[in-house]
Amino acid sequence: DADVTQTPRNRITKTGKRIMLECSQTKGHDRMYWYRQDPGLGLRLIYYSFDVKDINKGEISDGYSVSRQAQAKFSLSLESAIPNQTALYFCATSDWGGSGEQFFGPGTRLTVL
Amino acid sequence: GEDVEQSLFLSVREGDSSVINCTYTDSSSTYLYWYKQEPGAGLQLLTYIFSNMDMKQDQRLTVLLNKKDKHLSLRIADTQTGDSAIYFCAESNSNNDMRFGAGTRLTVKP
Repeated sequence: DADVTQTPRNRITKTGKRIMLECSQTKGHDRMYWYRQDPGLGLRLIYYSFDVKDINKGEISDGYSVSRQAQAKFSLSLESAIPNQTALYFCATSDWGGSGEQFFGPGTRLTVL
Repeated sequence: GEDVEQSLFLSVREGDSSVINCTYTDSSSTYLYWYKQEPGAGLQLLTYIFSNMDMKQDQRLTVLLNKKDKHLSLRIADTQTGDSAIYFCAESNSNNDMRFGAGTRLTVKP
């Protein structure tokens, strides 16, 4: 079974709709992250959480919100989706210390029409 | 802000060596990474190097780090068609803040 899972894997929605992307992990890591990937721009950090009570904005948090429901779950919401939020979204986890390696989910492809 | 840059495309012939280059600006980087992304998948860590090292070798992969010039490279020896993917350079600092480059799409031609 995958260590980091994301649901849904693909979603098409309309402008103005509320969307939630979910991420679950079985790695027991405290740190979780949401990124978006756009062609030619690499990965940009939206939000991150270092434990259940900790939520931090990343580089591009406007238009997004997150909820850390448990150590293993971190969800990303788009309150009112807009077309320029069409992207590939990745959840990642990491442990404290060490090399800081991040483990990525398979991604959610979101299209906002 | 701090930045990580890499060229967007690289094309090589099967059996040749591939060299993917990356530059970064954060002088407080502690670890530098190479991730691989295959079509339809998330990123997977290929290798990483601690900032006080200048070289790391792992089978067909060689990572070179020039800390003075803030330049990182990934060499893939005997490149195979299965190596076709997007390769991301990334760096992290002591706070474990990680920054990614835009990714280099490697195409391996038979």
